[in-house]
Amino acid sequence: QQKVQQSPESLTVSEGAMASLNCTFSDGTSNNFRWYRQHSAKGLEVLVSIFSDGEKEEGRFTAHLNRANLHVSLHIREPQPSDSAVYLCAVRASSGSWQLIFGSGTQLTVMP
Amino acid sequence: AQTIHQWPVAEIKAVGSPLSLGCTIKGKSSPNLYWYWQATGGTLQQLFYSITVGQVESVVQLNLSASRPKDDQFILSTEKLLLSHSGFYLCAWSLGGGGEQYFGPGTRLTVL
Repeated sequence: QQKVQQSPESLTVSEGAMASLNCTFSDGTSNNFRWYRQHSAKGLEVLVSIFSDGEKEEGRFTAHLNRANLHVSLHIREPQPSDSAVYLCAVRASSGSWQLIFGSGTQLTVMP
Repeated sequence: AQTIHQWPVAEIKAVGSPLSLGCTIKGKSSPNLYWYWQATGGTLQQLFYSITVGQVESVVQLNLSASRPKDDQFILSTEKLLLSHSGFYLCAWSLGGGGEQYFGPGTRLTVL
């Protein structure tokens, strides 16, 4: 069963400084990785999806995937206080599976 | 444009009472539909998914059931609530099993 872990649990950065979040997974056969964010127990907003090793940029959000190292990261360029939220990593249980496995999240706080 | 609506927004219920939560997707034909649950401070877990009317698959057993009576409607229910059912329930849709999942605003359930 795919296991997903996120680090750090919480992160505080200053406005404009790069924020970097990490996610490790246990089954490298998955080919479907996503980053979501959740503001105060509201619905999830998809930020970036990545399906192959390398980098994928969506606006200020960049995901890096390295399946050999079982690692996917999210980098937020020029974060703003409105980016303060819980960031969730989601990984397909396995290639072709319908199931998404979520990490426990990183609470990001951006200080003005 | 597609919209996803969940009802109610929040619910406070007694242990042992019945529950019915609803989800409606407008603007998409034959979507895949999903129910997720997030205990307070816990990890988001997929509970059910459905690829067509009348067909629902269970992912996690939580003494809950789900039904899809119409193409655009997904219902989560139980006849007897437990304290452990408290949490945040999210509905999501996608086009196909590997497609991006889009989440509704969620329902906050408190069981006393």
